[in-house]
Amino acid sequence: AQSVTQPDIHITVSEGASLELRCNYSYGATPYLFWYVQSPGQGLQLLLKYFSGDTLVQGIKGFEAEFKRSQSSFNLRKPSVHWSDAAEYFCAVALTDSWGKLQFGAGTQVVVTP
Amino acid sequence: DAGVTQSPTHLIKTRGQQVTLRCSPKSGHDTVSWYQQALGQGPQFIFQYYEEEERQRGNFPDRFSGHQFPNYSSELNVNALLLGDSALYLCASSFGRNTEAFFGQGTRLTVV
Repeated sequence: AQSVTQPDIHITVSEGASLELRCNYSYGATPYLFWYVQSPGQGLQLLLKYFSGDTLVQGIKGFEAEFKRSQSSFNLRKPSVHWSDAAEYFCAVALTDSWGKLQFGAGTQVVVTP
Repeated sequence: DAGVTQSPTHLIKTRGQQVTLRCSPKSGHDTVSWYQQALGQGPQFIFQYYEEEERQRGNFPDRFSGHQFPNYSSELNVNALLLGDSALYLCASSFGRNTEAFFGQGTRLTVV
């Protein structure tokens, strides 16, 4: 069955430390891959996306993600987190022939401590 | 550019009632998708509208229906509300086959 897995429900990180959020997908072909961020009571904001080409993609707010086909992974990273990065992060996939239909992971809640 | 706008922001309904949620897509977008996000979960795809027709549908019952108007705005209707329909309903718009979706702030529906 097609699935998107975010293994970490909750991550606590110190301000200034690095952050890595994991995402694995299970699909027959390489889908379009996305990371979204959701602040409390807000909608979703797109951080970055991967369609093809360079497997290291840069996004907004200093985030980057690396696509690894062999591991079916698309992990999100940030070298130094800020208190404003506290939010919920969702990995999402869309099949290349099923445009606009996103399947989301369950999300990872990120808490930033002083 | 106002982005994707949804109305209302919050509403409370009673079990068995019907509700209509509205969405205006981002300027230049022609495709609208609806998602349900239950508390503590990721959004779940309900359906997608393009050229005023439902193009794709997720695993939701027929109580969930929608409409897209010529100006690309959209409505989500839910009939015979259940307590389990309480959720944040998100609208997303996109253009053509570019699957980059822009989300609205959502409508928080509470069924009591």
